Amino acid sequence: QVQLQESGPGLVKPSQTLSLTCTVSGGSISSGSYYWNWIRQPAGKGLEWIGRIYISGSTDYNPSLKSRVTISIDTSKNQFSLKLNSVTAADTAVYYCARAPDTVVVPAEDWGQGTLVTVSS
Amino acid sequence: QSALTQPRSVSGSPGQSVTISCTGTSSDVGGYKYVSWYQQHPGKAPKLMIYDVTKRPSGVPDRFSGSKSGNTASLTISGLQAEDEADYYCCSYAGSYTYVVFGGGTKLTVL
Repeated sequence: QVQLQESGPGLVKPSQTLSLTCTVSGGSISSGSYYWNWIRQPAGKGLEWIGRIYISGSTDYNPSLKSRVTISIDTSKNQFSLKLNSVTAADTAVYYCARAPDTVVVPAEDWGQGTLVTVSS
Repeated sequence: QSALTQPRSVSGSPGQSVTISCTGTSSDVGGYKYVSWYQQHPGKAPKLMIYDVTKRPSGVPDRFSGSKSGNTASLTISGLQAEDEADYYCCSYAGSYTYVVFGGGTKLTVL
């Protein structure tokens, strides 16, 4: 059973860059056949898909965040990462990493537990 | 403002059935057969309950079913159980540029 675990700073200052890493265990990120996604959820609010990456390095991003987002993959560490620059208080949320099969049109099938990131000075 | 519209809350008694609606447009719900539903208990990550409008992942009880008519998708939960009390989110493919959009979520209360 694959497990995903988010890690990174829980507090980021406005205008700075939010950086999170998702470590995958119980399976190889290089095995293919999956998209690796980031999804966020502000407190008390709904879900927002941020973007995804395939093992080939191909990425797709939410158009509303595209100018500020970079998702990358490190197969040697079995990890993928999220960078969101120029953050504001509106970026405060629980950030989830997730895995989705490439045969199904869903943003996530397996999820990490989520990590709270607060943007504040 | 979420792209897909869901009722804020629904409720039902144990054993009853409830239906949660999810209204979009012809650019998302109405245009594709790729609606999914997620269940989220407080403090937990969401769980995929329905995909491709009507399909259930392995392990999801057949009490959960999905459907779609025009620009509105629906999740029906029959034989309500206390453990079904949670937030439910719909999600739809919205084309290759946007990929997916979510609904604002519906809180299900089991009375």
